[in-house]
Amino acid sequence: AQSVTQLGSHVSVSEGALVLLRCNYSSSVPPYLFWYVQYPNQGLQLLLKYTTGATLVKGINGFEAEFKKSETSFHLTKPSAHMSDAAEYFCAVSERRGTGFQKLVFGTGTRLLVSP
Amino acid sequence: EADIYQTPRYLVIGTGKKITLECSQTMGHDKMYWYQQDPGMELHLIHYSYGVNSTEKGDLSSESTVSRIRTEHFPLTLESARPSHTSQYLCASTRNRGNTGELFFGEGSRLTVL
Repeated sequence: AQSVTQLGSHVSVSEGALVLLRCNYSSSVPPYLFWYVQYPNQGLQLLLKYTTGATLVKGINGFEAEFKKSETSFHLTKPSAHMSDAAEYFCAVSERRGTGFQKLVFGTGTRLLVSP
Repeated sequence: EADIYQTPRYLVIGTGKKITLECSQTMGHDKMYWYQQDPGMELHLIHYSYGVNSTEKGDLSSESTVSRIRTEHFPLTLESARPSHTSQYLCASTRNRGNTGELFFGEGSRLTVL
């Protein structure tokens, strides 16, 4: 079964600094990988996804992630943090079940704190 | 932009009451899901549906029940709420074709049982 590990429940950066949120996965088949963002009192919004093709994936709000098969990683980065980036970030891997049903397995989330 | 709506957004209720959390989507998606989210924990799948008249239990055991009478509607019901049911409940759906597992989420219903 697939699983996701997010290192660090909280990450603090200064405004303008590099953002790096770590995600490692385990999967017995080529994975589909996702990053979601959750702002306070809201649902989850898709930031970016990797399915096939280019391993560097660009998403919304200047975020990007690189799929590294050899490291089983899908870390999320942004060159320069903005105050509005403060939120909870979830990494997820898609697990295929019977009849084409795909289920997302989520990590425990990383809360990004951005200070002025 | 995903069109999936949940009501109520916030609900505070006493023990023993029956509650229904509503979820509707206007995208014509066949597959719908309910996740339970507690602080510092991963999202847990509690129910899902392949389509009308199809419901399945997810990975996390839940005392709630669901129904799927119409494609666009997937309500979750607790017959007798308890403080242990206090949580955030997230409804989601996925595309019918080209489905990679990407979920479209509603804004959530935060339930507090006193």
